[in-house]
Amino acid sequence: KAGVTQTPRYLIKTRGQQVTLSCSPISGHRSVSWYQQTPGQGLQFLFEYFSETQRNKGNFPGRFSGRQFSNSRSEMNVSTLELGDSALYLCASSPGVLAGGTDTQYFGPGTRLTVL
Amino acid sequence: AQTVTQSQPEMSVQEAETVTLSCTYDTSESDYYLFWYKQPPSRQMILVIRQEAYKQQNATENRFSVNFQKAAKSFSLKISDSQLGDAAMYFCAYIYKGTYKYIFGTGTRLKVLA
Repeated sequence: KAGVTQTPRYLIKTRGQQVTLSCSPISGHRSVSWYQQTPGQGLQFLFEYFSETQRNKGNFPGRFSGRQFSNSRSEMNVSTLELGDSALYLCASSPGVLAGGTDTQYFGPGTRLTVL
Repeated sequence: AQTVTQSQPEMSVQEAETVTLSCTYDTSESDYYLFWYKQPPSRQMILVIRQEAYKQQNATENRFSVNFQKAAKSFSLKISDSQLGDAAMYFCAYIYKGTYKYIFGTGTRLKVLA
């Protein structure tokens, strides 16, 4: 089975622009989660989707948004980019079969976003 | 608030030796799950081991085992017969039922010396 894929792998943007990152989960997985990884803050939860519904959201400003499609693929969007948004954005998928979202999450390679 | 603490930012181990990475967590929940993930320099996070809080038996996966002390809220990872390929950042993570999100520790960088 193919793993979680994320595109693009690297991205350079300037302040004020917006960006869309894409994540394709492992086949059959219905839950997709997004995390931001920075040296200073570590791994921070952004949001989680299951069957196109957002079930939880982290403490990020409204500039960060996401969605999930009927085929379980997910996108996250960051509008009005700031320098502090530079980070590795990780997507993780899980089957979504265990009650309460406690399935093991499998991570993609990440998208490295640099904001200049 | 739930928190996960990894107090060792960096550790070193000689090849073929054993090393233990520490993790403590704070929670008032009873239905939760704990994980260790490995992130090699290529940045792909890989699951090392998973532990259900309701299970008293410590999880093991080949050379990797945990010491789960529920009352002490401690979840340490033991790596036996360390190999050069074990060099990576190791993250401890926690999730409790109904939240759909992992809470991660700050990570421990493990160096394996030849």
